[in-house]
Parts: sequence; C-alpha cells; structure tokens
Amino acid sequence: AQSVTQLGSHVSVSEGALVLLRCNYSSSVPPYLFWYVQYPNQGLQLLLKYTSAATLVKGINGFEAEFKKSETSFHLTKPSAHMSDAAEYFCAVSDRGRSSASKIIFGSGTRLSIRP
Amino acid sequence: GAVVSQHPSWVICKSGTSVKIECRSLDFQATTMFWYRQFPKQSLMLMATSNEGSKATYEQGVEKDKFLINHASLTLSTLTVTSAHPEDSSFYICSAGNTGGPRYEQYFGPGTRLTVT
Repeated sequence: AQSVTQLGSHVSVSEGALVLLRCNYSSSVPPYLFWYVQYPNQGLQLLLKYTSAATLVKGINGFEAEFKKSETSFHLTKPSAHMSDAAEYFCAVSDRGRSSASKIIFGSGTRLSIRP
Repeated sequence: GAVVSQHPSWVICKSGTSVKIECRSLDFQATTMFWYRQFPKQSLMLMATSNEGSKATYEQGVEKDKFLINHASLTLSTLTVTSAHPEDSSFYICSAGNTGGPRYEQYFGPGTRLTVT
C-alpha cells in the first residue's frame, strides 16, 4: 500500500520568505510523486511531478521539490513566497501500474498562509 | 489540451432525491476515470475507479449501491448519488487518465459541490 504524510496542517510564512512544505511517502514500489495546489472552492492544479528522471523537479510558479529516496521525502520549496501562494497544498503518490492510469493517493494537505 | 469538465459545478437537492454528476474528458480519451470526495478542510478521498465498459472498483467503505458509477464511453463517466442525505454533502472531484499518454498523467476536473438539504 502507498501513503503520504504531510507534516504540518498549517504553515505560515512572511511574504518574501522561504516556503517549505514537508511530505514523506511510503511505497513498496518505486513511486510517482506529485504536488497539487487547491485554491478555495476550486479543483486541483498540478504544481510538479516526479517520475524517476531528475530527482530535483521544477514546477510552476517557482516551486520545486526534491526526491530523496534515502529519506523517503519529497518536500516542496519556493525561495520567496508571494501573497498569491496562499492556498491548500497536497502531496500525492501513485504506483507505476500497467493500467492506463494508476490511482493517486493524497496526503492530508497543508494550508499555506502568507503574512504581509 | 487535456481538459476535464464536470457538470454541474454545484447542485442543491432535497434529502431522498438522486443527483447525477458528469465527468467528461474534452480532448482526450480516458479508459480510466477516478472519483474523489472532499469534505470541508479535508483531503481528497478516493471513492472509486471507473473503467470504460466494465464495473467500477470501489474503495473500502464506499457503498456501491449508493454511489452508482457508469463509464459509458471513453470520454464520459457519471456518478449518481442515490437517495441523498445531508451527510452526502461534499465536494466531488473526478480525474481522468489519458489513454494515449503517460500512465502517471491524470487530469482533474474542477469539482462539483453537492449540498443536500
């Protein structure tokens, strides 16, 4: 079975400060890993994904994440927070099954707040 | 490209009635679609995997007779909440895997907010 654990249900940073959202995964097989963002009353937007190419993955809006197998982590970072980054962030994992699509399992989410 | 739509975007229904939610892949074919439920301030919980032309696979604890899923074509899956009750009020999100694309690539719909009064 696969799972992800997001450390911290709420993170608050000042505008311009470093953003760090933590995610640890558990998987018996090499996983695919994702970060999604959700704004209030909206669907999900994919920020970035790890699919076994480079371990440092760059995504949209200046976000990036590093896959660390030894630590089973996939933390999300952004050097300088913007007010527009305030949202809910979900880390997610799926397997590399042979079907046309593998189910994605989501973490509990981390709400990011930005202080002016 | 790779757009998934949901209809309706929001719906209010009375307790005891049934509600159908549509999930469409607009510009690609999807053999597999997924249905998630999200309660306020909570994560997305996978309800079921919808396979075109066959029965859906439900996650443990999800009542298949209450949440009817039909994947009639490669671009359409429907979720029907039967005999809805206030506790079924939630945000329902679907996703679709592109049959012709990478296995890991899924695209999410904008969600449907269901309120049962």
